[in-house]
Amino acid sequence: DSGVTQTPKHLITATGQRVTLRCSPRSGDLSVYWYQQSLDQGLQFLIQYYNGEERAKGNILERFSAQQFPDLHSELNLSSLELGDSALYFCASSGWDGPRYGYTFGSGTRLTVV
Amino acid sequence: AQSVTQLDSQVPVFEEAPVELRCNYSSSVSVYLFWYVQYPNQGLQLLLKYLSGSTLVKGINGFEAEFNKSQTSFHLRKPSVHISDTAEYFCAVSDEKGTDKLIFGTGTRLQVFP
Repeated sequence: DSGVTQTPKHLITATGQRVTLRCSPRSGDLSVYWYQQSLDQGLQFLIQYYNGEERAKGNILERFSAQQFPDLHSELNLSSLELGDSALYFCASSGWDGPRYGYTFGSGTRLTVV
Repeated sequence: AQSVTQLDSQVPVFEEAPVELRCNYSSSVSVYLFWYVQYPNQGLQLLLKYLSGSTLVKGINGFEAEFNKSQTSFHLRKPSVHISDTAEYFCAVSDEKGTDKLIFGTGTRLQVFP
């Protein structure tokens, strides 16, 4: 157990629907990162939150949004889902100096859009 | 744009043989370098990291990597692999713009045969 908890582990939904992925960071970590892993794109950075505030944004679609709550857990909201959104979504957390020490990853949420 | 290139998408090797997984990166400034391992149905786990100092870095499970600034490479090596090393390996680099995000390569699938 890495200490980063992601729920649900698997999600199957239809095109056009909206889903919410949840992440609880490792105890003491203030930063949460969301990554999308697909076969053709590899690991793509979506967004980072630090202590409740957005800190960095990557290739995140406008249909996707995220937030980090006061208890530091984070949610990634995906709406108007398309078949191409099917992927593994990873959450990672780090301390205040994340780049120096790397991330701790959760085990991911596998999203299948049908 | 900054990038990480993992030259081999798949590396097959027999048990107890040595292995090298190659990683090259592009950056105009000093960066931090990482290797992560992903076992089936799991999240990514940090193997080792280079921050500064000695160019030879030792990690978990007998892996080591060598930072070569002139060749902008960070190749991962193990002198004798085991069946349990079968996994996906990702090279990553810190963002040269100073954000906390990591930029990942597309991964190398290491398959160890008995």
